[in-house]
Amino acid sequence: GQQLNQSPQSMFIQEGEDVSMNCTSSSIFNTWLWYKQDPGEGPVLLIALYKAGELTSNGRLTAQFGITRKDSFLNISASIPSDVGIYFCAGRFYGGSQGNLIFGKGTKLSVKP
Amino acid sequence: SAVISQKPSRDICQRGTSLTIQCQVDSQVTMMFWYRQQPGQSLTLIATANQGSEATYESGFVIDKFPISRPNLTFSTLTVSNMSPEDSSIYLCSVGQGSYNEQFFGPGTRLTVL
Repeated sequence: GQQLNQSPQSMFIQEGEDVSMNCTSSSIFNTWLWYKQDPGEGPVLLIALYKAGELTSNGRLTAQFGITRKDSFLNISASIPSDVGIYFCAGRFYGGSQGNLIFGKGTKLSVKP
Repeated sequence: SAVISQKPSRDICQRGTSLTIQCQVDSQVTMMFWYRQQPGQSLTLIATANQGSEATYESGFVIDKFPISRPNLTFSTLTVSNMSPEDSSIYLCSVGQGSYNEQFFGPGTRLTVL
């Protein structure tokens, strides 16, 4: 089946640092979504991308739909403690049924000790 | 976006029993979905809950194990049947809105099977 490779798997952040994570697939996707999940909560949609090359911001978060349509990345600028959580990429590939989102394995952000 | 609630928020169940999880949305939505998130893992789509017809299940999930109801455009239930410890997971409902693929999730139901 379709799979998404999300990296890094985990990372530690210090307040004020910029953070980057990405997702790649072997198939062409027509939708990329980025979610954040806090402990004990459901995922919250951060950014949705629909066009190759599209660059979209939501506050300190910026995400891009790769021009090859096989990747996407998420940047967080000037991180703050509440950015801690698990970030998931998700997408729908060409030919996939509406609603059938494929999720990456997540990037866990933790505070640097 | 729609406000989504789930009941129960968590439960501890015995092997061999069944649990029905409810998902309520504060507005009418066309598409509702059920996902499973195993401990420390990502989300996997179980099925699409279709209003007025049988749910559409993804590969690896069957109706006998995960029967789903969708009596109207604001409500759905997922039953986890004949549970085993391997069914211990977070079960999430989501709704799709608009003509695109954005999905919004409920808070989840945390199930532990002993």
